[in-house]
Amino acid sequence: ETGVTQSPTHLIKTRGQQVTLRCSSQSGHNTVSWYQQALGQGPQFIFQYYREEENGRGNFPPRFSGLQFPNYSSELNVNALELDDSALYLCASSLKTDSGPHYGYTFGSGTRLTVV
Amino acid sequence: QQQVKQSPQSLIVQKGGISIINCAYENTAFDYFPWYQQFPGKGPALLIAIRPDVSEKKEGRFTISFNKSAKQFSLHIMDSQPGDSATYFCAASPAGRRALTFGSGTRLQVQP
Repeated sequence: ETGVTQSPTHLIKTRGQQVTLRCSSQSGHNTVSWYQQALGQGPQFIFQYYREEENGRGNFPPRFSGLQFPNYSSELNVNALELDDSALYLCASSLKTDSGPHYGYTFGSGTRLTVV
Repeated sequence: QQQVKQSPQSLIVQKGGISIINCAYENTAFDYFPWYQQFPGKGPALLIAIRPDVSEKKEGRFTISFNKSAKQFSLHIMDSQPGDSATYFCAASPAGRRALTFGSGTRLQVQP
């Protein structure tokens, strides 16, 4: 059983640029969530994808967008990068069933994004 | 609005001692309360979780105590070890569990 893998591990971008972060979900999981973790803070929910559609969104502007692919992998895209976007971006996968809640969020090790 | 408040911000405990971390929540729709452990350079890893229909859950050296009326829950780490040194986050989510709301974290240092 493979865990959640994220790429790249580190990234430096210039303010105003665009960035794409990638996530491969754990085997058997069908849902992917993205979180932003600023230094010294707890992770904050960005959005979740289930069946290739956005299934919930936190308090983040539209320049944060995502995709989920048929193999349940996912991308997080951030446009018009701002200095405050510098953070650790975490991907978490889980198994959601139609009949009940989902269990077992597994987090990846994250992508450290620095915006200069 | 911070919906989950966590304390203390940092904690130093001697090896063999008990580590206690507290959290309080506001949203009465929360029905799932996990604790996560995070080491530097790693993502959070689930330690233990509780539903509000029980007041306590124990797994090994880790125990969650839950007080629904006070809207508080806590993590107790018994016989704390240097390997437990990490940052601990409480979290909560409503039914359906689309999103976890995390506390601000507690940096635990267990001294040998």
